[in-house]
Amino acid sequence: GAVVSQHPSWVICKSGTSVKIECRSLDFQATTMFWYRQFPKQSLMLMATSNEGSKATYEQGVEKDKFLINHASLTLSTLTVTSAHPEDSSFYICSAIQGGNQPQHFGDGTRLSIL
Amino acid sequence: ELKVEQNPLFLSMQEGKNYTIYCNYSTTSDRLYWYRQDPGKSLESLFVLLSNGAVKQEGRLMASLDTKARLSTLHITAAVHDLSATYFCAVVSKYNNNDMRFGAGTRLTVKP
Repeated sequence: GAVVSQHPSWVICKSGTSVKIECRSLDFQATTMFWYRQFPKQSLMLMATSNEGSKATYEQGVEKDKFLINHASLTLSTLTVTSAHPEDSSFYICSAIQGGNQPQHFGDGTRLSIL
Repeated sequence: ELKVEQNPLFLSMQEGKNYTIYCNYSTTSDRLYWYRQDPGKSLESLFVLLSNGAVKQEGRLMASLDTKARLSTLHITAAVHDLSATYFCAVVSKYNNNDMRFGAGTRLTVKP
């Protein structure tokens, strides 16, 4: 149980393109979803926390206008990287929790490469 | 601010040997996770430690938690090549369930 699906798994696109990444909880309702970014050979850095039906909370230094997060339902959150540039190339991982002290369940990640 | 320090960052060891990875954190927490990450993959949950003195073992890996010292250890016994991966500890703030911070990771290479 507690499966989180992330789509797509790999995307390559040209600079200036906007890219949307989906994160779905398949067998549970996720009250909170998290978006992380991981650069090569580095740790995961939390970008934002989103709760269903409300605005996401962004970590310091993360541009909310560049990384648009929509958590429209209890099973789906999307991250849109707007006008992506090569420096946005990274591994993006989402996670979801059912609530309270429940553990985070991680998606398989999306590798974003901007040319 | 919750900070997590993990060491060593890189570890190369021979099969059959033992070693310990350390995870220190800066503020009160009662929930600590250990994850494994293979290259190009997402995180695989290994252990969750919930209380002071907690010890969990799975195969050649054993994790422990000392909340008073704010320290967790991941001990590797008789390492095998299949354990080669990056290991992360992650700590959840006691004051904010949504605040989980990761250590820098330990890249483990086990050589035959």
